[in-house]
Amino acid sequence: QQPVQSPQAVILREGEDAVINCSSSKALYSVHWYRQKHGEAPVFLMILLKGGEQKGHEKISASFNEKKQQSSLYLTASQLSYSGTYFCGTGNAGNMLTFGGGTRLMVKP
Amino acid sequence: DTAVSQTPKYLVTQMGNDKSIKCEQNLGHDTMYWYKQDSKKFLKIMFSYNNKELIINETVPNRFSPKSPDKAHLNLHINSLELGDSAVYFCASSHTGGTEAFFGQGTRLTVV
Repeated sequence: QQPVQSPQAVILREGEDAVINCSSSKALYSVHWYRQKHGEAPVFLMILLKGGEQKGHEKISASFNEKKQQSSLYLTASQLSYSGTYFCGTGNAGNMLTFGGGTRLMVKP
Repeated sequence: DTAVSQTPKYLVTQMGNDKSIKCEQNLGHDTMYWYKQDSKKFLKIMFSYNNKELIINETVPNRFSPKSPDKAHLNLHINSLELGDSAVYFCASSHTGGTEAFFGQGTRLTVV
């Protein structure tokens, strides 16, 4: 079953912050975050494993709450280059990475 | 050097035809995947395959079949193509255990 992402779309001005949420009805082993720009392949941002560890990537960070089966992606001081569709992917004991429906992020000057 | 490469990039074909999409990775990964991305951008896992196990998403029609001649290749064969098969198909690879996945550039399949 695929994870649920919210919001579905968000529009920001440069320098503003955003939070993208990802939740699952199943127990999670890991949460992956990817960004896809229009016409391109998804690109890996970060992976979070059990333990609620928060990871960072430049001004993009994420948290993982395994008890609530949720993860959030935090984008601070957004840049034009952050525009794209963000996907969370949830991993189980096997190798099947199941993606949420995506969140379209548009950063305007 | 391209890490994950797919061919062709574009594929236009008629309903009922059989077609294949090739995928190769040079990252030394032992797990490869096929994803389908529809017009609404939803990324759906179709197959996960390593040298020990093929995992099939149960919603994938059996007209779709992966073929792996070796660890670096996972080709996708599609029989009796239907209009609804039109989508972008992505190949990806990773190390076993669900680590970072690298995606190919995608193959845009159009069935007419």
